[in-house]
Amino acid sequence: EVQLVESGGGLVQPGRSLKLSCAASGFTFSNYYMAWVRQAPKKGLEWVATISTSGSRTYYPDSVKGRFTISRDNAKSSLYLQMNSLKSEDTATYYCARHAGIVSSPFAYWGQGTLVTVSS
Amino acid sequence: DIVMTQSPTSMSISVGDRVTMNCKASQNVGSNVDWYQQKTGQSPKLLIYKASNRYTGVPDRFTGSGSGTDFTFTISNMQAEDLAVYYCMQSNSYPPTFGGGTKLELK
Repeated sequence: EVQLVESGGGLVQPGRSLKLSCAASGFTFSNYYMAWVRQAPKKGLEWVATISTSGSRTYYPDSVKGRFTISRDNAKSSLYLQMNSLKSEDTATYYCARHAGIVSSPFAYWGQGTLVTVSS
Repeated sequence: DIVMTQSPTSMSISVGDRVTMNCKASQNVGSNVDWYQQKTGQSPKLLIYKASNRYTGVPDRFTGSGSGTDFTFTISNMQAEDLAVYYCMQSNSYPPTFGGGTKLELK
């Protein structure tokens, strides 16, 4: 059974940093592109980042480019999201997601999410 | 970025109804539209990929159709467990973008 378990969320002040983690199990982690998708409270879904199988290629929307960094450790079956210079508009539940295949494939599996609140 | 516009934003439905919702892309996305279901308090779940393909384990009352800019998602025989928000997403080009969602509520 595919499992994705996020951790690392919490309350953080604007301008500070936070690092999210996602522990994956039930599949060969190194074979899949992985992603982070977020959802602001009572709002819709927004893709945040994607990383290739080896970690050599990463993709971001303009809203987080230069502030967020996605990375992975295939030996530990773990995905990470380093978030710097956080803003109030980054407040959201962050989901770890597994792509169905390559970079432009759907998000086949999702974790339960971890809440990040950016507030002073 | 490609804008995905879903309609309606909400629907009042009864168990057993046939439910149809739409998603319109701001430019041609081929067949690269996926549909997700999000129940209250849960993470999204992939139901349909590439416009019309049911993902593993998805009941056949869920169907999708369309290509280009106009897409449709249908639940043929609404069940109480299908109450949720449904999102379309284009995976044709980066960044992948979601529609605003269609919320199904009981009449």
